[in-house]
Amino acid sequence: DVKVTQSSRYLVKRTGEKVFLECVQDMDHENMFWYRQDPGLGLRLIYFSYDVKMKEKGDIPEGYSVSREKKERFSLILESASTNQTSMYLCASSLPLGGGASYEQYFGPGTRLTVT
Amino acid sequence: GQQLNQSPQSMFIQEGEDVSMNCTSSSIFNTWLWYKQDPGEGPVLLIALYKAGELTSNGRLTAQFGITRKDSFLNISASIPSDVGIYFCAGASVGVVDTNAGKSTFGDGTTLTVKP
Repeated sequence: DVKVTQSSRYLVKRTGEKVFLECVQDMDHENMFWYRQDPGLGLRLIYFSYDVKMKEKGDIPEGYSVSREKKERFSLILESASTNQTSMYLCASSLPLGGGASYEQYFGPGTRLTVT
Repeated sequence: GQQLNQSPQSMFIQEGEDVSMNCTSSSIFNTWLWYKQDPGEGPVLLIALYKAGELTSNGRLTAQFGITRKDSFLNISASIPSDVGIYFCAGASVGVVDTNAGKSTFGDGTTLTVKP
């Protein structure tokens, strides 16, 4: 079974702090994604990565950066946390392009971040 | 970017009732996926559809890929309390540059409440 783990289930940070959210997958997936989930807004893509050191902006990258130094690990960084970044953050991974299966994403349990 | 309209936004049903939800898009998709998110967890893939007109079942769940390739629906028969959660549709289109990363567009979700 694919396992995607996220470093924390709950996190409370202060405005202006630098925040790191870590995601690790154990199935050698090329593709990894970071989403934020807010009530009524569904899943919004922040950044994704299709290979080590490769990254692409998603729909809402402002205020975030990412790092992919190793294939299994994809980190989301909030350079200076703000209260409007309070949200549920979900990490996902998927197989490389090669058929429909590459669109099947496996999600971690999420990190609920509160910025005060 | 591409957008999906998922409806209804929420449903309150009695245990044993059947449920139907759908997603529509102004764009053509080559793949439709349905996920379920249990409270406090990340989404889990329920059904993936790869061909227009395809009808696929997974236990009490049935999903169809619309003939026009612009819509999909999910039915749940004889609902039970553990069906509670948020159901997301997702679509993906071959040919879009960033699809190389297996990127999907997600609907806003349908929140299902089942009363015993």
